[in-house]
This record gives sequence, C-alpha cells and structure tokens, in this order.
Amino acid sequence: AQSVSQHNHHVILSEAASLELGCNYSYGGTVNLFWYVQYPGQHLQLLLKYFSGDPLVKGIKGFEAEFIKSKFSFNLRKPSVQWSDTAEYFCAVNPTGTASKLTFGTGTRLQVTL
Amino acid sequence: GAGVSQTPSNKVTEKGKYVELRCDPISGHTALYWYRQSLGQGPEFLIYFQGTGAADDSGLPNDRFFAVRPEGSVSTLKIQRTERGDSAVYLCASSLVGSAADTQYFGPGTRLTVL
Repeated sequence: AQSVSQHNHHVILSEAASLELGCNYSYGGTVNLFWYVQYPGQHLQLLLKYFSGDPLVKGIKGFEAEFIKSKFSFNLRKPSVQWSDTAEYFCAVNPTGTASKLTFGTGTRLQVTL
Repeated sequence: GAGVSQTPSNKVTEKGKYVELRCDPISGHTALYWYRQSLGQGPEFLIYFQGTGAADDSGLPNDRFFAVRPEGSVSTLKIQRTERGDSAVYLCASSLVGSAADTQYFGPGTRLTVL
C-alpha cells in the first residue's frame, strides 16, 4: 500500500520568507499527486495537483510544486509567504488508474508571523 | 454553487450508542467519499461511492461502520456501538465522475466525540 511522509510537522516563518514543504511517497507505480490546504476554521481545499506532463505544477495563491520521480518527492514551494498563508498543508497521492481514494500525509502546520 | 455540506457539525455521544452522520455532496457529483481525521493526523480513507454503490469500502475499520447512498446523492455514515477510539472528525468529499484525475471537494466535517 502507498504511504505519504511529511517530515516537517510545524514550520514557523516570517512574512516574505521562502517556503518549501517536503512530501515523499512510497509507491512503485505511476501516481497522481496533490497538495491540499486547510485554513483556520475552513475546510480542506485543493492547492494544486499533478497527473502528467510538466513536473513543475503551479497552483493557486502563488504556490508551486515539483514532482521528482527519482526521489519520490512532490515538494511544495512559495517564494514569499504572507501572513494569510498560515494554515495546515496536506500532501496526498493516489495511484494512476485506480479508484480515486486519496492517501494523505500527516500534514504540516505553517505559521507565518508578521 | 453550494459546496459539500455535512450535518451535524458536532456530535457528542456516549460509548455504546449509535450515530448517523450525513453528507450532502455537490449537486451532479456522482462520486462521494468518506474520510476520518484523528487529531494530529491526515484524513484517512473510509469508503467511496460511485452512484448508489460502494465501489471501495476497504477503509472501513470494522463491521460497526456502515455507509449508504440510496439515491446516489446524500450519504449517511452509520456507526454502531460507538467506542472512544471512534472520536475524530469525519470528512465527506465529492467529485464529478470519480476518476483519479478528479478534484475532490471536501465538506467542513462532523466532529464526533464519544464519551
């Protein structure tokens, strides 16, 4: 069965700092990859997703993620964070061609200070 | 349009009781998913419906858990003989056709507390 690891559990950054959140998955086949975000008091929403093609994926609010197949990684990046990016971020995976249930990582809580 | 809605938003029950959690998916979405999120963890898959049928129920932890979607729209997750370990946020999501390429849209969740 596939699994997802997010090694950063809690990250604190100052506004304008650059962000990179790690995500590694274990699965031998082709996968679809997702980043979801949960802002305080809100429900989970999709930030970006990768299925095929260009491994650099751009999402909403200036976020991007790069799929590196050889490293089984899909790290999330943003060049300059804002206070409003304070949220919990979840990486998720599902194997291509299977039922679309998602396997999530444990999440990374990002706190952006002014 | 309206997103995924879940009721109740909070449910407190006593050990051994029966509970039902309801999910209203986005109109027109044929696929519906239930996940469970325990404190400090990511959502964990429970069951997936394609239309009225459960296409994958491999995540249901045991036979105390059951879910239905009789008309292919609203779904109810039923938990019998609740245990303290069932305490979690139960999330529902829906997607248009249920393919791996679909985006899953999540509801706000039902926080279940078993005393």
